[in-house]
Amino acid sequence: EVQLVESGGGLVQPGGSLRLSCAASGFTFTNHAMNWVRQAPGKGLEWVSTISSTGRSTYYADSVKGRFTISRDTSKDTLFLEMNNLRAEDTAKYYCAKSGVFGVLIEAGFDSWGQGTLVAVSS
Amino acid sequence: DIVMTQSPLSLPVTLGEPASISCRSSQSLLHSNGYNSLHWYLQKPGQSPQLLIYLGSNRASGVPDRFSGSGSGTLFTLKISRVEAEDVGVYYCMQDVQTPLTFGGGTKVEIK
Repeated sequence: EVQLVESGGGLVQPGGSLRLSCAASGFTFTNHAMNWVRQAPGKGLEWVSTISSTGRSTYYADSVKGRFTISRDTSKDTLFLEMNNLRAEDTAKYYCAKSGVFGVLIEAGFDSWGQGTLVAVSS
Repeated sequence: DIVMTQSPLSLPVTLGEPASISCRSSQSLLHSNGYNSLHWYLQKPGQSPQLLIYLGSNRASGVPDRFSGSGSGTLFTLKISRVEAEDVGVYYCMQDVQTPLTFGGGTKVEIK
C-alpha cells in the first residue's frame, strides 16, 4: 500500500523558513516524479513544485520560485520542500503527491496523496 | 500559463441521477504522445484529493465505473452516471501538458 506522510509544518513568522518532509513507502520511490500541492484555507488546489524521478529536473510555480527548493533523498525514500522567506500568502496545507505513470514514461496524474501538513505564516 | 475553467461552480444533484462537470482549457492539452494531459480529482469533505480520471478518460484504480471522462484538446467532461451519497465533495480538473501545472477552480457537488 502506498503511503505518503508529510511533516514539518507549523507556525512561522514572515521571512522565516521551514523544511517539509514527505516519507514515502509502498512503491519504488525512484520510479516516480514527486510533487507538492498546496491549499490555502477555504480555497482550491495550487501546484507548487515537481521533481523528476531522477531528481535531475525540478519545476516551480512562479509564486515560489527562488524561495522554495524541492529535493529528494533516495536513500530514505523522502521528499523535501525547503521554504525560505515565507510570506503570509504561503499559509496553506501542503500535500505531497506521487505522479502516476502510464505505459512508458507518460505522466498519469497524481495517483497518491498524503494527508497534508499545515503551514501558517503570521507575526 | 494555461487557465483551467470549470463549470458549474456548484452542482446540486439528486441521488441516483446523472451529473456532469465541464472543464475548459485556454490551450490544447493534447500532448505529443497522443494523450490529453488532463486529470480529474475529487476532494471529499475533510480529506485529501484523490485521483479519479487520468489522461482525460482513464479511470484510476478503484474508481467506480459510474465515473467517466471524455473530451480532447480544450474541452473535457466528467460524468457520473448515477450519483451516490459518497460522491459529494469538490471536483478539480488539472492539466500537466506544460508547467506551471494548473487546476480548475473546482466544482462543489452536493446532494439536493
